[in-house]
Amino acid sequence: QVQLQESGPGLVKPSQTLSLTCTVSGGSIGSGSYYWSWIRQPAGKGLEWIGRIYTSGSTNYNPSLKSRVTISVDTSKNQFSLNLSSVTAADTAVYYCARDSGEGPYWYFDLWGRGTLVTVSS
Amino acid sequence: EIVLTQSPDFQSVTPKEKVTITCRASQSIGSGLHWYQQKADQSPKLLIKYASKSISGVPSRFSGSGSGTDFTLTINSLEAEDGATYYCHQSSSLPQTFGQGTKVEIK
Repeated sequence: QVQLQESGPGLVKPSQTLSLTCTVSGGSIGSGSYYWSWIRQPAGKGLEWIGRIYTSGSTNYNPSLKSRVTISVDTSKNQFSLNLSSVTAADTAVYYCARDSGEGPYWYFDLWGRGTLVTVSS
Repeated sequence: EIVLTQSPDFQSVTPKEKVTITCRASQSIGSGLHWYQQKADQSPKLLIKYASKSISGVPSRFSGSGSGTDFTLTINSLEAEDGATYYCHQSSSLPQTFGQGTKVEIK
């Protein structure tokens, strides 16, 4: 059974870079046709898609964050990562990693990590 | 960017009632609409894919319908464990977007 687990610092200072890793267990990140996404949720608010990566390394980012986001994959470690630069308090949120699955032109998130809270504060 | 607008924002319901949540897209998205349930302090869980396709392990009281711009999530005979926030999500075009959520409270 494939599972996802986020890890990384829970506290980041303003203007620094937020770095998170999602470890995939119970299966290979490179098997099958999947994208791997990052999604965030500020406390008490809705969900925002940050971006995704295919195992080939192809990426798509939300234009609202594109200038600050980098998503990468390390198939040897079965992990993918998120870097978000120049963070402010507005980036404080629970960050989820998720798997994009699809049998056609549309993708859906069929697996989610438990989420990790990142607070931006000095 | 495609905007998804859910209604209502909040609903207080007694067990065994029927719940209907709508999601309207700002432009046509075909069947690229999916529904999730998020309980307090948990990650979202996929309920319905492609507007109306059921998900293995999800109770049959959850169903979806619609295409184009108007979609509906129906919960037949609500159970106490269904208290949660429900989100629609479109993957018809990037960036992928979510509705603002509908909180269902059990009376």
